[in-house]
Amino acid sequence: SYVLTQPPSVSVAPGQTARITCGGNNIGSKSVHWYQQKPGQAPVLVVYDDSDRPSGIPERFSGSNSGNTATLTISRVEAGDEADYYCQVWDSSSDHPGVFGGGTKLTVL
Amino acid sequence: EVQLVESGGGLVKPGGSLRLSCAASGFTFSSYSMNWVRQAPGKGLEWVSSISSSSSYIYYADSVKGRFTISRDNAKNSLYLQMNSLRAEDTAVYYCARDPGPTGDHCDYWGQGTLVTVSS
Repeated sequence: SYVLTQPPSVSVAPGQTARITCGGNNIGSKSVHWYQQKPGQAPVLVVYDDSDRPSGIPERFSGSNSGNTATLTISRVEAGDEADYYCQVWDSSSDHPGVFGGGTKLTVL
Repeated sequence: EVQLVESGGGLVKPGGSLRLSCAASGFTFSSYSMNWVRQAPGKGLEWVSSISSSSSYIYYADSVKGRFTISRDNAKNSLYLQMNSLRAEDTAVYYCARDPGPTGDHCDYWGQGTLVTVSS
């Protein structure tokens, strides 16, 4: 089955840029989606189809996907961005197509 | 406003059964695929099951296949997850989520979740 690999943690100072990676075999051929989850809350979609943003999501959140790595980039990081972030793909060639990465804890220093 | 409200969680003994429900409102339920996603305490998200708008396409994670059954009632705007032969490792918050893909793709709206605890 398809595997997505994320770093367990990323730290960044306020105002700087955070980059969270999601690795997978030829992930560039798939659509990657990103979710933000704050403690005690349900996940929220922040980027879909590699780089599109749902309405209400700040432009500071962007995504890219190429080769074996997809990246969620958060510009001008704020304290309120501190959360867990998960990447996800739909592996349509599989009998169990929904796949999440293990998650990355973003800490704002 | 899209709303998804899960119910049916609780404490159940190993080997027992539970049926989760998800009541949808604020959108045309019959036009969307739906997903169940779970999160064990202190762990990451795990995709559990998906069902297409007309129930033609149904998928399960290997960890629940043969024990869980997803279904929907478009007339009642409701999604269900029948969970049988429950194990301690099924303990988690279970979220229902709307999926804009025709057979599954991603989760654009999530409910607040319902906690399932499997323990003797």
